[in-house]
Formats: sequence, structure tokens, C-alpha cells
Amino acid sequence: DIQMTQSPSSVSASVGDRVTITCRASQGISSWLAWYQQKPGKAPKLLIYAASSLQSGVPSRFSGSGSGTHFTLTITSLQPEDFATYYCQQVNSFPSTFGGGTKVEIK
Amino acid sequence: EVQLVESGGGLVQPGGSLRLSCAASGFDFDIHWMTWVRQAPGKGLEWVANIKQDGTKRYYGDSVRGRFAMSRDNAKRSVYLQINSLRAEDTAVYYCVRDASGSYLDFWGQGVLVTVSS
Repeated sequence: DIQMTQSPSSVSASVGDRVTITCRASQGISSWLAWYQQKPGKAPKLLIYAASSLQSGVPSRFSGSGSGTHFTLTITSLQPEDFATYYCQQVNSFPSTFGGGTKVEIK
Repeated sequence: EVQLVESGGGLVQPGGSLRLSCAASGFDFDIHWMTWVRQAPGKGLEWVANIKQDGTKRYYGDSVRGRFAMSRDNAKRSVYLQINSLRAEDTAVYYCVRDASGSYLDFWGQGVLVTVSS
């Protein structure tokens, strides 16, 4: 199975900051990667698919990049509603697998 | 409006069984793969299983393969997850999720809690 490793596991940031989260795959997955946002007590929400495509309705301050084994999620100008946990997921092969998550906390 | 409503969760003893159901509405159910994802309390997301539109292909995560079985009934617009030989580590919220094109998970149910404890 493909292992997904996210870093950092948590990050403290302020409103207006730029935040970057990294996800690495244990083998090449082309661009078969998604990013999700999860708030406490809620189901996850799809933000980015195909590594860099923005899901409908998601603010443009979210962006994704990368291919192969190295991917990043960037949030420019962090907003109060962006404090949450973020997960990457590979869909290159089944079973699909998620990264361990990155919690974005208020500094 | 797209809706996925899970049911069937609850408290079960180790070694027991449970059948989760997910009723879908608001979209063309029979053109989508469907997936179950779970989340143990305070932990991350774990992909559990998925099923092809016509039910002819299923895939399972390593930790559940051989104990869990996913099925669907397109006439009833529902998917199911039969979970057997339950262990404490199966305690989690189980989410029913719609697969968009490319297997991205674009719509999630509210989740149902399964607790395995004696």
C-alpha cells in the first residue's frame, strides 16, 4: 500500500499568515492526490483534487501543487474559518490512503 | 440536494457484528462509486472500502479486509457495510462518502458511531 506522510503534524499561525502543508507519497502517484479540511465534529470537506484543481465553492486562497511523490497545500492569508485539520489522500491505487493530518491552530 | 444518511451504528461487544446502512438522495446514485471512511476518536481518517457502480468490484483497507464486506442496492439507492469480528480498534465514526470522477471524495454523510466494548 502507498503510505502518505504529512508534515508538520501541527502548525500555529495568525490570521493573515501564509501556511504551507506538505504531503509525501511512498511511491509515485502522478497527480492522483486530494486535500480535505475537517473541523471538529464535522465531516471532511474536499478542497483540492488532482493535486491542484480547486473544488467548486472553495476560496481561491487555497491552492495545491506537486506531482509524483511531493505535494503541498498552501493557504494564503489565513482566515478565522481556516483553523481546522487538513488531510491529504492518494487515489492512485486502492486501497486509497490518507496522510496523518495537519492541525492548523491559532497562534 | 445531495444527502447521505448513515444508520445502524451503536454499541457492540468484541467479536460481534453490525450492519451499517447509507441512504443516498439528490443525485444519480448508480453512476457513482461509493466509499466508507472511518475515524477513531481523536484520530485521523482511515479509508475502509469502496464499491463500483454496479457492485462488481470492491476494495478494502488492510485492517478490515476479510472482516468487512461492502455492498450496494441501486434500486434502494443504498450502500451497506457488514462489519464482523469486531475489535476495540474498530471503534470509530463511519462516514459514507460519494466518489466523484477520479475517486475523489466529494460528498460526505454526517457519520455514524460504532463503539466496540464489553
